[in-house]
Amino acid sequence: GDSVTQMEGPVTLSEEAFLTINCTYTATGYPSLFWYVQYPGEGLQLLLKATKADDKGSNKGFEATYRKETTSFHLEKGSVQVSDSAVYFCALSSGTGRRALTFGSGTRLQVQP
Amino acid sequence: DTGVSQNPRHKITKRGQNVTFRCDPISEHNRLYWYRQTLGQGPEFLTYFQNEAQLEKSRLLSDRFSAERPKGSFSTLEIQRTEQGDSAMYLCASSLVTTKGSRDYGYTFGSGTRLTVV
Repeated sequence: GDSVTQMEGPVTLSEEAFLTINCTYTATGYPSLFWYVQYPGEGLQLLLKATKADDKGSNKGFEATYRKETTSFHLEKGSVQVSDSAVYFCALSSGTGRRALTFGSGTRLQVQP
Repeated sequence: DTGVSQNPRHKITKRGQNVTFRCDPISEHNRLYWYRQTLGQGPEFLTYFQNEAQLEKSRLLSDRFSAERPKGSFSTLEIQRTEQGDSAMYLCASSLVTTKGSRDYGYTFGSGTRLTVV
């Protein structure tokens, strides 16, 4: 079945550091890929998405490129801020049938001033 | 439209009691999903509706769980005879899937209902 593997946290960075959170997936067909963010006490918010190979999703300075050959969708940001501290979830949707999301276990990011 | 609304935000119940949660999706969305998220894990799919029809239930959804979506609007998730293992965040999400099967998925999540079984 479908699965998502992302790097374990917590990831602790200083403000303005470069961020990479790795995400790899296993899926049948051609899934759509997502990054969701969950701030403390809040629900999941869509951060960015990509629906086909080589697409780059971007939002709020975050980027991720859909790499079919390596089945990866790594999240990057050039300069993190304290306000980016949250839990980040990589997810996929298989694109057929129920189209429910399959999530990774999440990576907690802590940015220190 | 204020997004997906879930009530209550928090629920503490004694083991063996029944609980019911409500989800109000975005009005024009025809799909509604329930997920469960335990501490330190990503959300796991429980069930989903297309309009009023419940189309799939995960193996995670034991016989003690039941979900409804009357008239294709709001949905309820009931847990009977709660157990401590049911303690989790229950998330609802909605989306619009067109008959042509658009790949531009717009899932919107609610803030969740946190259940604590004591």
